[in-house]
Amino acid sequence: AQSVTQLGSHVSVSEGALVLLRCNYSSSVPPYLFWYVQYPNQGLQLLLKYTSAATLVKGINGFEAEFKKSETSFHLTKPSAHMSDAAEYFCAVSDRESNAGGTSYGKLTFGQGTILTVHP
Amino acid sequence: NAGVTQTPKFQVLKTGQSMTLQCAQDMNHEYMSWYRQDPGMGLRLIHYSVGAGITDQGEVPNGYNVSRSTTEDFPLRLLSAAPSQTSVYFCASSLNPVTNEKLFFGSGTQLSVL
Repeated sequence: AQSVTQLGSHVSVSEGALVLLRCNYSSSVPPYLFWYVQYPNQGLQLLLKYTSAATLVKGINGFEAEFKKSETSFHLTKPSAHMSDAAEYFCAVSDRESNAGGTSYGKLTFGQGTILTVHP
Repeated sequence: NAGVTQTPKFQVLKTGQSMTLQCAQDMNHEYMSWYRQDPGMGLRLIHYSVGAGITDQGEVPNGYNVSRSTTEDFPLRLLSAAPSQTSVYFCASSLNPVTNEKLFFGSGTQLSVL
């Protein structure tokens, strides 16, 4: 069974500092990996995704993540934090599964979330 | 573009009451799903659908019912509300259920069960 672990439920950085949000996954097959962002009182938005192409994935708002198979990690980084980056971030893994009716679908499993706080 | 629309945004129920959370999407997405979000637990899948007339259970289906009579709509029914169902509920859809490469989320329904 696939699972996702996000290390640190809260991360606090100063404006302009490096942002590093950690995500480790377990999956029996090569996975699709995602980072989603949730701003206060909103739904989740896709930040970036890894789908077995380049291991370094660039997303929106200057974020990027690197897929490291040997470490089963998909950490999210941004060189310089901005106040507007304050939000909750979710790592997710998708594996191909079949339901009882035999229909194949991508089952997403989300991590517990990391709240990013940016101080001026 | 409306995207994924959820109603209501807020709801307070008494234990034992029933209600339906509405979800509609206008993107002709095959895949639709319901998640609940609880502090420290991320998002957990309740039910999902890979097309009209096809639904299946997710990780936490007990106490919830769904149906998918059209491509656009995927309502979630609480049969007899319990305090444990106090949560924020999100509907999400995607174009390709096989990969689910990008989920589009609604803005959520905050439900309190007293």
